Amino acid sequence: AQRVTQPEKLLSVFKGAPVELKCNYSYSGSPELFWYVQYSRQRLQLLLRHISRESIKGFTADLNKGETSFHLKKPFAQEEDSAMYYCALRPTGNQFYFGTGTSLTVIP
Amino acid sequence: GAGVSQTPSNKVTEKGKYVELRCDPISGHTALYWYRQSLGQGPEFLIYFQGTGAADDSGLPNDRFFAVRPEGSVSTLKIQRTERGDSAVYLCASSLSSGADNEQFFGPGTRLTVL
Repeated sequence: AQRVTQPEKLLSVFKGAPVELKCNYSYSGSPELFWYVQYSRQRLQLLLRHISRESIKGFTADLNKGETSFHLKKPFAQEEDSAMYYCALRPTGNQFYFGTGTSLTVIP
Repeated sequence: GAGVSQTPSNKVTEKGKYVELRCDPISGHTALYWYRQSLGQGPEFLIYFQGTGAADDSGLPNDRFFAVRPEGSVSTLKIQRTERGDSAVYLCASSLSSGADNEQFFGPGTRLTVL
C-alpha cells in the first residue's frame, strides 16, 4: 500500500510567489516525517524533519494529523529552490517510505 | 572527510548476469541503508544494516538480491541473474546511528542498466 502521496509531479511558480508542495501519508500511529531535496546534479539530502520544527532555507512544514498531511511551504520562492522534493515517512523501525517526488521550477 | 561514495557510478550488464554494487559510508557511521530508485519514482527501501548485521532486509524484492557488510563499514549489494526490471539507480545512505534524529547522508548512486 502506498504510504506517502505527492499529488503533483511538476509544480511551477514565479520567483517571489508562495509555494506549497503537498504530501499526504497513510499511517495510523505517530509518524516521523521528513522532506528531502535533490538539486540538479547533486545528491539527495535532508531538508527538514517534523520533530525539529525548524525552518530551513525559508521552508517550513507542519504535521497535520487530522488531515494526515505534511505540506512543505515557503512564502517567497527563489530561483535556487528549483529542485526535486521528496516527502518521506518513517513509521517504525528503520524503513523509510518516500513519495514519488515533486519537481519544483521557480520561474525568474 | 568525504561523504558516502558508491562504485561504480554506472553499470551496464546483460540479462542473467551477476552484479555487485559497492557503498563506502561516512567513517564512523554505524547505520547503512540501500534504496532502489526507478525512473519517476522515489527511493524504495531495500535493506538496513546496523553495524555488520542486516537489521531489516524486508525490502529486498526477492532472493536474487543480497547485501553484506562484513566489517561494519563498506557494504556490497549483490544481484544474481539480473533482469531488465532491475534497471534503476541504487542509492546508499549512512547515518551516525539508527535514531530518527540521525540524518541520513546519501551517496551519488549507481545507475544499473540491464540489457
